[in-house]
Amino acid sequence: ILNVEQSPQSLHVQEGDSTNFTCSFPSSNFYALHWYRWETAKSPEALFVMTLNGDEKKKGRISATLNTKEGYSYLYIKGSQPEDSATYLCAPGGGADGLTFGKGTHLIIQP
Amino acid sequence: DTAVSQTPKYLVTQMGNDKSIKCEQNLGHDTMYWYKQDSKKFLKIMFSYNNKELIINETVPNRFSPKSPDKAHLNLHINSLELGDSAVYFCASSLVAYNEQFFGPGTRLTVL
Repeated sequence: ILNVEQSPQSLHVQEGDSTNFTCSFPSSNFYALHWYRWETAKSPEALFVMTLNGDEKKKGRISATLNTKEGYSYLYIKGSQPEDSATYLCAPGGGADGLTFGKGTHLIIQP
Repeated sequence: DTAVSQTPKYLVTQMGNDKSIKCEQNLGHDTMYWYKQDSKKFLKIMFSYNNKELIINETVPNRFSPKSPDKAHLNLHINSLELGDSAVYFCASSLVAYNEQFFGPGTRLTVL
């Protein structure tokens, strides 16, 4: 079982502001790093799967970076909108034994 | 079309009973998973199943057993249900083990 830390645990952001949060994971035996977005009463939805050190991926206003040598990934949201409110989960793993999820960053966008 | 479906959505049962939760994916994926969302809303892997290879999280009690009748299904059987089994159970699938996972809607199990 991997030790995955996400910070902050929760975050209130004003609509229109940009924000970012962190996922830390063991750098040894790295396989892949997943980011998921989980809205209340729904199922987690994949945002990114990142495998290479220095990877940077983008989907609309959301982007993520990966540092496998030091074991961290950042998720950035530019120009936050109310619909961005969700819990953002990171998960290293993705090999045959599934994902080890962090506890998530609970993001609330305030209009 | 629902990509990953689970039935039932809600399951209320008595302690000691045996129950099953079904999961089906119509994505043609090779790997399927079961996760448990515990009381602290934390998602934990229970099983992954790929090409008839089952990988079990060692913390899962052996009262839980996944059964895969075919590549599109991974059902979860639970024997002798206990109060602590109350949780939301999510099924997921991925094309291959390292790809993004697609989650089902979850099954809320309540053991009385």
